[in-house]
Amino acid sequence: SAVISQKPSRDICQRGTSLTIQCQVDSQVTMMFWYRQQPGQSLTLIATANQGSEATYESGFVIDKFPISRPNLTFSTLTVSNMSPEDSSIYLCSVVQGAGSTDTQYFGPGTRLTVL
Amino acid sequence: LAKTTQPISMDSYEGQEVNITCSHNNIATNDYITWYQQFPSQGPRFIIQGYKTKVTNEVASLFIPADRKSSTLSLPRVSLSDTAVYYCLVGDMNSGNTPLVFGKGTRLSVIA
Repeated sequence: SAVISQKPSRDICQRGTSLTIQCQVDSQVTMMFWYRQQPGQSLTLIATANQGSEATYESGFVIDKFPISRPNLTFSTLTVSNMSPEDSSIYLCSVVQGAGSTDTQYFGPGTRLTVL
Repeated sequence: LAKTTQPISMDSYEGQEVNITCSHNNIATNDYITWYQQFPSQGPRFIIQGYKTKVTNEVASLFIPADRKSSTLSLPRVSLSDTAVYYCLVGDMNSGNTPLVFGKGTRLSVIA
């Protein structure tokens, strides 16, 4: 399975600032996704990070708030802009990797963000 | 995307077999069933994936009836460290282009 790392693992930030989260995969993958998990909740998909083109955002998420970069097939970043306490969540990077006839989706360890 | 329904929570004693059933009445022909385990403050960990009948690995078994409208994750002889949230998801894992959509999951508490 793909080995996924995220940086930072956690951070505490002041409101109004921005944080960029990095996701690194140990092998080339076509599909990368970013999820958010608010305290006590399930995971919510933010966007699909497309290599070589703009990310595709889910309803309720916009590029100005969550800009995403995908410069190559092993790396992506998610920026949480102009943060407020409501942005306090775990942010997770996810990739799809094929094994035989089927694909499987794997998740990174997450970045725990606290906004004061 | 097919929607899933699972029990919100379950309790079990150590050493028992735990079966968590998931309903997915609207599962599509190309959809696979995937289960994840999540500990607090960690990313979901892949447990098992299947399409029909039975799949077994070193961690769990997955039972899928012929109509595929439900599935059951079976964890043999659980320990305290199996306390976690378990998510059942369905999605087309042939194309790999559609990200999985998470439901609320089942919170399993293992008691000594």
